Amino acid sequence: DTGVSQNPRHKITKRGQNVTFRCDPISEHNRLYWYRQTLGQGPEFLTYFQNEAQLEKSRLLSDRFSAERPKGSFSTLEIQRTEQGDSAMYLCASSFGQGSYGYTFGSGTRLTVV
Amino acid sequence: AQSVTQLGSHVSVSEGALVLLRCNYSSSVPPYLFWYVQYPNQGLQLLLKYTTGATLVKGINGFEAEFKKSETSFHLTKPSAHMSDAAEYFCAVTGGGADGLTFGKGTHLIIQP
Repeated sequence: DTGVSQNPRHKITKRGQNVTFRCDPISEHNRLYWYRQTLGQGPEFLTYFQNEAQLEKSRLLSDRFSAERPKGSFSTLEIQRTEQGDSAMYLCASSFGQGSYGYTFGSGTRLTVV
Repeated sequence: AQSVTQLGSHVSVSEGALVLLRCNYSSSVPPYLFWYVQYPNQGLQLLLKYTTGATLVKGINGFEAEFKKSETSFHLTKPSAHMSDAAEYFCAVTGGGADGLTFGKGTHLIIQP
């Protein structure tokens, strides 16, 4: 068990560019979550997968945001046409079942849009 | 739907003093409750959780929390603060459904020498 891994740790991009982040969850965990955290705030739920099925995506911030988990293992979060307001920490978490065992978070990807 | 209120965006205590971080929640279903700690530029580390059973839960680093249903509270305590406890602390709630965790805004714990 190597924990939840997120790459890259930091990403600086120019406004208007597309970015993609990767999350590798704990292998036994069937649920995977994406959150966004802005400065001074708690994490904000974005989307959720159970195995390869994306069961909740209505909280994605706009249609510029999309996520995939093609084989029920790793996941990617893509932001198209980035804006300065997208600058934040993007966190991935995984859990087994309904989360009674806890949710394990990765170290996050910090995005800076310039 | 769930929500979390953390009272006090900043709490300052002296080293060796009692730490008390307050959390009140709202949930339409029996809640699972969590406390996480976050150090600068890091992810969140689970301190402790309440799911079912004993309402007083013990976590890592000497922290504990008590689930009080009548008060809809889940306050975090530690008898004696250590300098290494300085960090951001988040309370979170879930009903176990597709909405994942709902977090409070966090409390920044400052430890005075």
